Amino acid sequence: GAGVSQSPSNKVTEKGKDVELRCDPISGHTALYWYRQSLGQGLEFLIYFQGNSAPDKSGLPSDRFSAERTGGSVSTLTIQRTQQEDSAVYLCASSSRGWYGYTFGSGTRLTVV
Amino acid sequence: GQQLNQSPQSMFIQEGEDVSMNCTSSSIFNTWLWYKQDPGEGPVLLIALYKAGELTSNGRLTAQFGITRKDSFLNISASIPSDVGIYFCAATNTGNQFYFGTGTSLTVIP
Repeated sequence: GAGVSQSPSNKVTEKGKDVELRCDPISGHTALYWYRQSLGQGLEFLIYFQGNSAPDKSGLPSDRFSAERTGGSVSTLTIQRTQQEDSAVYLCASSSRGWYGYTFGSGTRLTVV
Repeated sequence: GQQLNQSPQSMFIQEGEDVSMNCTSSSIFNTWLWYKQDPGEGPVLLIALYKAGELTSNGRLTAQFGITRKDSFLNISASIPSDVGIYFCAATNTGNQFYFGTGTSLTVIP
């Protein structure tokens, strides 16, 4: 696609439920990143994919968070047993190999009530 | 996780004024970038800096990569209302993982 597409754009869920957030990167971009942005905060790195593999998962805050990428394209970030502190905007970005700069999606705003 | 120290946290300025914000780190980085985020959108890359001491311009925006490789600043000249948004610095050594500043919220008063 022309840009990075994230869905849903907004998600309200009850505490304890699981959620799945989807990212469609720019076609041909081999690298894909997930970040979390809490209100008034900077961007917190979660996980990075090169192709389908995740060389760096160091930012995932707990074992309730997982992510996968299939076909070198779409990625899904799953949060199990959501907690209120998981409420944030989850941003996905993709980049071409060798290019130091991301293209971000518009994010998914997750609210856990 | 590691974050960059960005200041000021927020700015309220009159249209036409110049703006300056900066970012510092305790670690050395070989690439610095500046992003702008509009409400409800993801950050958009404004300027990328690859060499210590480099000064790069993009229209009314000028950014510099500090000579120590631990800092960078962004200047906006003759601000206009559409400059409103949150500006983030970012830095990397690997090109894979970027560390982001906490953002500078800019409000331009017409």
